[in-house]
Amino acid sequence: GDSVTQMEGPVTLSEEAFLTINCTYTATGYPSLFWYVQYPGEGLQLLLKATKADDKGSNKGFEATYRKETTSFHLEKGSVQVSDSAVYFCALSYSFSGGYNKLIFGAGTRLAVHP
Amino acid sequence: DVKVTQSSRYLVKRTGEKVFLECVQDMDHENMFWYRQDPGLGLRLIYFSYDVKMKEKGDIPEGYSVSREKKERFSLILESASTNQTSMYLCASSLHRGFDQPQHFGDGTRLSIL
Repeated sequence: GDSVTQMEGPVTLSEEAFLTINCTYTATGYPSLFWYVQYPGEGLQLLLKATKADDKGSNKGFEATYRKETTSFHLEKGSVQVSDSAVYFCALSYSFSGGYNKLIFGAGTRLAVHP
Repeated sequence: DVKVTQSSRYLVKRTGEKVFLECVQDMDHENMFWYRQDPGLGLRLIYFSYDVKMKEKGDIPEGYSVSREKKERFSLILESASTNQTSMYLCASSLHRGFDQPQHFGDGTRLSIL
């Protein structure tokens, strides 16, 4: 079945370091791909999305490119801040019987940025 | 901005009680979802609804039911709470069925069953 695999955390970085969080997916069709972020004590917030191959989603300095050939959607940021410390979830949206669409989430990757 | 509001941030209940978790969205979204989030297991879909009075089972519906009497409100019901239902519960909504539609989440309810 469809699935999402993220790199295990925690990822610990110094402020202004470069961030990459790997995400790969398995899907039978052409899903949409999303990154969500969860700050401590809060729900998930949509960070960015891409709906077709080679699309690049971007927001708040974060970027991810939908790579169909490698079935990947890696999250990157050039210079992280302490305020980026959170858990990041990669997700795909797929269709199933009845015309419904569901999100499948990865397990989440915790990022800790220290000054 | 979409606002998804969950009625309680923290809730403590006893085993065997009937528990209601409420969720309201203010953007006229068609679709609403209930998830639970557990360490090491990620987010798991309990139930969802694509229309008023309509519901569909997600991946882990056992022990739960839902109600959607109005478009903006989606309730999760634990018929007889058990300790293994202690978890973080997240409600979400999306505009329509298109698979490019993101889901918008509330802040969650941390439920403890004693």
